[in-house]
Amino acid sequence: AQKITQTQPGMFVQEKEAVTLDCTYDTSDQSYGLFWYKQPSSGEMIFLIYQGSYDEQNATEGRYSLNFQKARKSANLVISASQLGDSAMYFCAMSSPLINSGYALNFGKGTSLLVTP
Amino acid sequence: EAQVTQNPRYLITVTGKKLTVTCSQNMNHEYMSWYRQDPGLGLRQIYYSMNVEVTDKGDVPEGYKVSRKEKRNFPLILESPSPNQTSLYFCASSDRGPTDTQYFGPGTRLTVL
Repeated sequence: AQKITQTQPGMFVQEKEAVTLDCTYDTSDQSYGLFWYKQPSSGEMIFLIYQGSYDEQNATEGRYSLNFQKARKSANLVISASQLGDSAMYFCAMSSPLINSGYALNFGKGTSLLVTP
Repeated sequence: EAQVTQNPRYLITVTGKKLTVTCSQNMNHEYMSWYRQDPGLGLRQIYYSMNVEVTDKGDVPEGYKVSRKEKRNFPLILESPSPNQTSLYFCASSDRGPTDTQYFGPGTRLTVL
């Protein structure tokens, strides 16, 4: 089974500073996608950013960027200029094709980020 | 507005009483799936569907059923709920393949007493 590892159960960052949330993955597939989702205390899952395994450039979406290091199998999320509203759980996920033409989306266990004033 | 809706949002029930959680998407997505989220375990896939009448098991399918009679709807059925199915459930949809972003519903918090 594919595996996603988020080694930081919790992180603190001061407002306006940048923070990096770590994610490593394990797969033997050549084609896969990497995603980051945010889950605030209200519970909904909010899509943040996507990186395809064949994309050569790191993905960016506003204040979010994904530091993709394919050889190291890592896909770290960088949040620049943190805001108080960034306090939430963050999940890294990887999708990969299944033999029956379906696909699986596997999630890490998440990192809780707290942004302090 | 493009969205995935789930109902109910909150449900408290008793062991053995059959229940259905509905999921509907208005984006004409082919792929839909159900996840459960438990503390310390992240999200785990229960079932998924590649298209109408095509469903398959995810990582934790025991105790659940699904159906996909229409493209937009993908209900989750618990025939005989048990307390270990107390969880937060998410429905998600995406266009087709593993590189397409999955859009999540708001979640259904289920408690089985």
